[in-house]
Amino acid sequence: SQQGEEDPQALSIQEGENATMNCSYKTSINNLQWYRQNSGRGLVHLILIRSNEREKHSGRLRVTLDTSKKSSSLLITASRAADTASYFCATDAFNDYKLSFGAGTTVTVRA
Amino acid sequence: GAGVSQSPSNKVTEKGKDVELRCDPISGHTALYWYRQSLGQGLEFLIYFQGNSAPDKSGLPSDRFSAERTGGSVSTLTIQRTQQEDSAVYLCASRAGTSGTTGELFFGEGSRLTVL
Repeated sequence: SQQGEEDPQALSIQEGENATMNCSYKTSINNLQWYRQNSGRGLVHLILIRSNEREKHSGRLRVTLDTSKKSSSLLITASRAADTASYFCATDAFNDYKLSFGAGTTVTVRA
Repeated sequence: GAGVSQSPSNKVTEKGKDVELRCDPISGHTALYWYRQSLGQGLEFLIYFQGNSAPDKSGLPSDRFSAERTGGSVSTLTIQRTQQEDSAVYLCASRAGTSGTTGELFFGEGSRLTVL
């Protein structure tokens, strides 16, 4: 079963704008990760945030985690055409090392 | 190798035939995962191997699906008597670290299976 649910399902923005997507999950987690998938390719890891962390940055990416609301957000600042992809959140629970993925948010960045 | 390698990249088969999908993880990675991704969908967990421990097979959808990992390295996912609903991209991923740790998964490019 899928643990994470991303919102929105699809997002279309202009180059240079920010893109924000959210992930909600159901059970307590150990870590939450975000991955990117370009069309027809494998997934690429973007960032990992631990359950005791609230915010993390990596380049143009900012991830927040609110364990009380069981939700996370991914912000991509100053988007580029190359950011066009599907973005997935993935969670793992304590003592359970399989990652559960959501259905993803498809982001289209218009030039 | 430099990354996770999967073969074949594309496989078209007839309903009822058996298929084998291969995954060669990053050298030294002890954890290996198989996921299935149907068109436009998220990833569905199939099976997880960690070192010499018994695999977690809880995601295999039916007894037509099986997987093995030989010598703690290469893994083969076998689907017997394929059905049209088995059509999907099968993704393999590996991870460094021992049981008790979590972290980044490195994915292969996937094997696209089409069952006619």
